[in-house]
Amino acid sequence: DSGVTQTPKHLITATGQRVTLRCSPRSGDLSVYWYQQSLDQGLQFLIHYYNGEERAKGNILERFSAQQFPDLHSELNLSSLELGDSALYFCASSVRGDLNTGELFFGEGSRLTVL
Amino acid sequence: GENVGLHLPTLSVQEGDNSIINCAYSNSASDYFIWYKQESGKGPQFIIDIRSNMDKRQGQRVTVLLNKTVKHLSLQIAATQPGDSAVYFCAEEGYGNNRLAFGKGNQVVVIP
Repeated sequence: DSGVTQTPKHLITATGQRVTLRCSPRSGDLSVYWYQQSLDQGLQFLIHYYNGEERAKGNILERFSAQQFPDLHSELNLSSLELGDSALYFCASSVRGDLNTGELFFGEGSRLTVL
Repeated sequence: GENVGLHLPTLSVQEGDNSIINCAYSNSASDYFIWYKQESGKGPQFIIDIRSNMDKRQGQRVTVLLNKTVKHLSLQIAATQPGDSAVYFCAEEGYGNNRLAFGKGNQVVVIP
């Protein structure tokens, strides 16, 4: 158990819909990272938050947004969903957030299926 | 598992033998490298990391080798065990970049 909690574990929805994925980092970790893992793209970095502020942005679509709250949990919002958004979405946390990512602790992921 | 369909390179190794997993990274400016292991149905798990000022680092049963000249990273697993069966990812990051880029992964299958 990494100490990172993600909900929901599984989600099935239709195209055009909007979903929110939730992540609670390990106790004491200030950084939250979101990754998308799909069959053809592997693990893709989406976004990083450190202590409530956005630190780095990767290949995150404009239809997607994220935030980190004062209690350090984070949410990833996916809207206007398309079939291609079906993937595993991982949240990871680390105590660091400065120059290098350091060791990431991953949750077990939220599997999104868009029909 | 989650990586079925990715057509990952697969290494089949006999239990007790040593495994070597290779990774070519793309960015010559990367200065920090990590190996992660992902078992079926789970999130990636940190194995070992290495900075660019080193060319070798050892952990428990694992060794990472870094060759910056040819941008190559390898992970050696000694005395491979059934529990080592997983997909292994290398990841790279540039100094101050704060975004870890993962490779496609290598599947390791341990034959009992």
